[in-house]
Order: sequence, then structure tokens, then C-alpha cells
Amino acid sequence: GQNIDQPTEMTATEGAIVQINCTYQTSGFNGLFWYQQHAGEAPTFLSYNVLDGLEEKGRFSSFLSRSKGYSYLLLKELQMKDSASYLCAALDSNYQLIWGAGTKLIIKP
Amino acid sequence: EAEVAQSPRYKITEKSQAVAFWCDPISGHATLYWYRQILGQGPELLVQFQDESVVDDSQLPKDRFSAERLKGVDSTLKIQPAELGDSAMYLCASSFKGEVADTQYFGPGTRLTVL
Repeated sequence: GQNIDQPTEMTATEGAIVQINCTYQTSGFNGLFWYQQHAGEAPTFLSYNVLDGLEEKGRFSSFLSRSKGYSYLLLKELQMKDSASYLCAALDSNYQLIWGAGTKLIIKP
Repeated sequence: EAEVAQSPRYKITEKSQAVAFWCDPISGHATLYWYRQILGQGPELLVQFQDESVVDDSQLPKDRFSAERLKGVDSTLKIQPAELGDSAMYLCASSFKGEVADTQYFGPGTRLTVL
């Protein structure tokens, strides 16, 4: 079956760095998305990786290893507004998104 | 900046009543998705449209849910009759084509509470 695993909850300190991991098992693979979702709001697009390696976008970076079925989202210089859920989603061979349950990130001052 | 529009933002209804949600995708986006999201879980795809045609409705509970996109632009999702277990966030998303790795852009969602 198809499956996405990510931690349920993480806690980090304002100004620090946090890494949110995601492992995936899908029928075929056409890339991996990360979305941010604040409580009660809709998901917003953060990043897309299809090739191995690190993609940097400001304070956020996303990494992919296709051979390991693994990705992570790296958040630097954490701000209180980064408190949200982070959803990992893999695109399968039919271009259907397989979603993880999300990682709730709590930022403490 | 173009956005996906949804209404209403919140809906409270009693079980056995009918409810309807509306979505207007980003202009030019051919693919439209309806998702259901239960608190603490990822979005679950209910139905996917490519223009006015249904591409995937395998997870849509067809005994009570229906969706249409008659002119290939805006879309309506209906539940009749609503059940207590239908309480969730209903999200609409759109993408340019849907055949390749297009980014899906989400609307603000409709929070449904069934009493």
C-alpha cells in the first residue's frame, strides 16, 4: 500500500533550527511536496522536490533522497509565526497526491 | 494574486439535512479537487475534475455525496443527508493541468459541523 510517515508533533525554540522528517512508500514517484497549514486554515505550498538534493528557499529548505524514500523540511531562524502543521505529500505514478497526517510544530519563546 | 474562492466559510447543520459547498478555482486552472480533512489528519481526496469531467471519485461516498462542475469552472459539492461523521473541513484546490507535477493551490475551506 501507499504510505507517508512523519512525526505527529515537534517542539522547538524561537530562533533555533528544526528538521521535520518524512518517509514515503508509493506506487511510482513523481515528486514530493511540503505544505504549511496554520490551525483552521488551508494548506499553503512551501516546496516541491523531484530530484535528489537540497532546495533552499529563504529560511526554509527541503531535501529529497529518492533511493531512501526520504525527505526533510528544514526551518531556520524559527519565528513564532512558524507554529503550524507541516504536511508531506508524495505524488504517485498516477499523479495523485498521497498525504501524510502532518507534523504539528510548536515554537516556544 | 489569484486565489481559490470557497463559500461558505462555516456551516452548522443538523443531521439528515442537506448542505452544499461552492468553489471557484484560480482562473485558467483546468483541474479542481475536493478534499475532506479531519482534525489531526491529512487531506483525503473526495473527487477530482479535469475541466467538467470527473477523473477520480473513488473515495466519494456516492450514496450521500455528489459533486459537479458543469461548465468546467466553478464547482459544487453536496451532502444529503448529512451525518454526524461528516463534520470536517472541506477543502477545494486547483491546479493548472493535473496531469503532471502541478502545484495544488487551496481555498480557505468550509468548516462543517453536523449536530
